Amino acid sequence: QQQVKQSPQSLIVQKGGISIINCAYENTAFDYFPWYQQFPGKGPALLIAIRPDVSEKKEGRFTISFNKSAKQFSLHIMDSQPGDSATYFCAASFNAGKSTFGDGTTLTVKP
Amino acid sequence: GAGVSQSPRYKVAKRGQDVALRCDPISGHVSLFWYQQALGQGPEFLTYFQNEAQLDKSGLPSDRFFAERPEGSVSTLKIQRTQQEDSAVYLCASSSGTLKETQYFGPGTRLLVL
Repeated sequence: QQQVKQSPQSLIVQKGGISIINCAYENTAFDYFPWYQQFPGKGPALLIAIRPDVSEKKEGRFTISFNKSAKQFSLHIMDSQPGDSATYFCAASFNAGKSTFGDGTTLTVKP
Repeated sequence: GAGVSQSPRYKVAKRGQDVALRCDPISGHVSLFWYQQALGQGPEFLTYFQNEAQLDKSGLPSDRFFAERPEGSVSTLKIQRTQQEDSAVYLCASSSGTLKETQYFGPGTRLLVL
């Protein structure tokens, strides 16, 4: 049973556009939902994270929207830039323990 | 240190060989995680340490996988009698005792078993 489902698998956006990646989770005990950015040959780097008592969190061009009742959360990248081209992973964890990751979304931002 | 470091960065092993992968977490971080990332997939949990105690090893795929963190800092992931299906990137992450949910990842060790 895949506990965190991520979509789409790949995404192509024009420079300046909005990139939206979605995730759905199964386990209602999860209490921390981070998004990671990964470049080829590098480890995942934390981008932004949210806890379930908040419906939205914004940091610069990156926003997480969280819907607890639907068990869904999404990452919005505003004014997407070619340098944002990378693989993005959503994840979920409980009580600061192990993270369960989605399968990733490969984002390509065209100049 | 500045971040989580892992060595070696690349490892080629012949099927049946034993390998040892090292992780140096951020200084002072009490929690340490190992993940396995197959090509085109998200990382999958292997095992978790809090200081020197291995609190969760539920993700280790077989008894050929063994991890240790004897002094609560550096950790080693050992794979005995490697198989082709062990080929993956092995990621280490650490987290502090304060912002403890935030995991900081190393660059990974890419293991290729021939």
